[in-house]
Amino acid sequence: EDKVVQSPLSLVVHEGDTVTLNCSYEVTNFRSLLWYKQEKKAPTFLFMLTSSGIEKKSGRLSSILDKKELFSILNITATQTGDSAVYLCAVIIQGAQKLVFGQGTRLTINP
Amino acid sequence: DVKVTQSSRYLVKRTGEKVFLECVQDMDHENMFWYRQDPGLGLRLIYFSYDVKMKEKGDIPEGYSVSREKKERFSLILESASTNQTSMYLCASCRVGSEAFFGQGTRLTVV
Repeated sequence: EDKVVQSPLSLVVHEGDTVTLNCSYEVTNFRSLLWYKQEKKAPTFLFMLTSSGIEKKSGRLSSILDKKELFSILNITATQTGDSAVYLCAVIIQGAQKLVFGQGTRLTINP
Repeated sequence: DVKVTQSSRYLVKRTGEKVFLECVQDMDHENMFWYRQDPGLGLRLIYFSYDVKMKEKGDIPEGYSVSREKKERFSLILESASTNQTSMYLCASCRVGSEAFFGQGTRLTVV
């Protein structure tokens, strides 16, 4: 069974802290890994990672994939209250064209 | 901009009713998905479709069916709604191997 596991499930930090969110996967036929941010409504796309070791960056957010150890991390530096959200990790399964999600990490940034 | 539109934001239905949730995308995407999202469980895949009239079961298809008669429209059907189907339902679409775009979600309450 294809599985995506995120940790921690919940995280509370102070504004200005740096956080690292984890996503590990165990799937039949890996194609790519995606990160999404979900506030009150629909998840919005952050990154797609297909190759190992290549960091993707957008402002204070960055992410990297390790295909040997089957995990990815999402880093957020100098956190702000607007970063409070649920962060979702998903894996695209090659062939089956399926998209499998983890449970999400609920991140709360306190002022 | 890609637009994925779900027909209702909020629905309240009675136990035993047949319920239709509609999803329309305007970007000619091949793949469409229905998920339900419950606290602590993340997004769980109910059904997906990779072409017109094609459908595949996800992880939790029991009690649901789907219909894809046109490429842009993917419907989720609850044959006989039950209280344990109270949830947030999210529709998504994507090109093969690319990031998925989500609708705003339908919060369904079955009483």
